[in-house]
Amino acid sequence: DGGITQSPKYLFRKEGQNVTLSCEQNLNHDAMYWYRQDPGQGLRLIYYSQIVNDFQKGDIAEGYSVSREKKESFPLTVTSAQKNPTAFYLCASSIQGTGEQYFGPGTRLTVT
Amino acid sequence: KQEVTQIPAALSVPEGENLVLNCSFTDSAIYNLQWFRQDPGKGLTSLLLIQSSQREQTSGRLNASLDKSSGRSTLYIAASQPGDSATYLCAVTVNQAGTALIFGKGTTLSVSS
Repeated sequence: DGGITQSPKYLFRKEGQNVTLSCEQNLNHDAMYWYRQDPGQGLRLIYYSQIVNDFQKGDIAEGYSVSREKKESFPLTVTSAQKNPTAFYLCASSIQGTGEQYFGPGTRLTVT
Repeated sequence: KQEVTQIPAALSVPEGENLVLNCSFTDSAIYNLQWFRQDPGKGLTSLLLIQSSQREQTSGRLNASLDKSSGRSTLYIAASQPGDSATYLCAVTVNQAGTALIFGKGTTLSVSS
């Protein structure tokens, strides 16, 4: 089955630790995205990548980093510099042409 | 800067009722508009995509319309069911495909049996 997988579903970390969230897609989409969702705030863009080895910052990129070494994979690292990392993180990819975006199941990160 | 607003924030209706969810955006220069459904604790499911040149799209009991000139879209749900209970999100893409979505905060729908 084609789709987007995110792992793990739940992640717990201590403050000051870096953590990497996985996102893999087998839809052959060129573009991939990371969004953060907080209660009452809606989804906000962290980073996106339109092609391998290239990515752009979104509205809230500070404290995050990404890589895009393969078309299928777009991992997100939450660094210790992120002031408030506890949130629900959603990865997406999109079709060329229409730009329709498809989302993964999300990873809920809790930092204490 | 593009902003997307969804009204109402929450809606409760009895089963069988037809309903309309509203979405407005401040800049009419959009590439496309997508409606999503999100169940609690889950990812987003794409419901309908409307390209900027289109006026509406239909899928089953769902119909979405787009009026770019007024900066509005509506999602019409016919004969609502308890299984339709979820949060519905509207989002627009500006410029071109491959750029990010700008989301509204959603409308949380509750359909009672």
